[in-house]
Amino acid sequence: EPEVTQTPSHQVTQMGQEVILRCVPISNHLYFYWYRQILGQKVEFLVSFYNNEISEKSEIFDDQFSVERPDGSNFTLKIRSTKLEDSAMYFCASRQGEQETQYFGPGTRLLVL
Amino acid sequence: GNSVTQMEGPVTLSEEAFLTINCTYTATGYPSLFWYVQYPGEGLQLLLKATKADDKGSNKGFEATYRKETTSFHLEKGSVQVSDSAVYFCALSPYSSASKIIFGSGTRLSIRP
Repeated sequence: EPEVTQTPSHQVTQMGQEVILRCVPISNHLYFYWYRQILGQKVEFLVSFYNNEISEKSEIFDDQFSVERPDGSNFTLKIRSTKLEDSAMYFCASRQGEQETQYFGPGTRLLVL
Repeated sequence: GNSVTQMEGPVTLSEEAFLTINCTYTATGYPSLFWYVQYPGEGLQLLLKATKADDKGSNKGFEATYRKETTSFHLEKGSVQVSDSAVYFCALSPYSSASKIIFGSGTRLSIRP
């Protein structure tokens, strides 16, 4: 069964450093998402991406964040200058059509020191 | 606005007990409703969903019915197993293109042998 994959599974970085989290959505999916889950808290929407542009973003998704689909398979989340409060589990998700189910990847646990 | 409220955990039950996890929602229009499950150390998996009023979603012995009149989507299982120990998230997706998912805070379920 096709699945969403994410790399790396864990990343540790120093405050102020740039990180890029990578996702490979399911191949025929058209809508892509990033969510995050701070430890012990609820899963929060960050951004949705369709047709090579951001379709919606949350208040969390400020100028430090950016997303890109650099080729036909990868979908990346870049944090330009990490802060301590960016430490969280980051989930990528994708879906095929407008009313289809979103499928989530296993997540990348980011720790900012 | 759109939001999801679910019962706080942790919930601890004995094997073969009956499970109910309450979930209510606030939404404009007619959202789709979901239960996602997160097993220890893993990502989010879709457990079941319902897309319109009175629909019943079911999977792996779990059920939830979309109740528009009470804006609820309670999760039930007749006889839980140790392997059901996980965090359960109630969620909704507003009826619009490229919709995000809005999650509840999650309920941790532990099943004793």
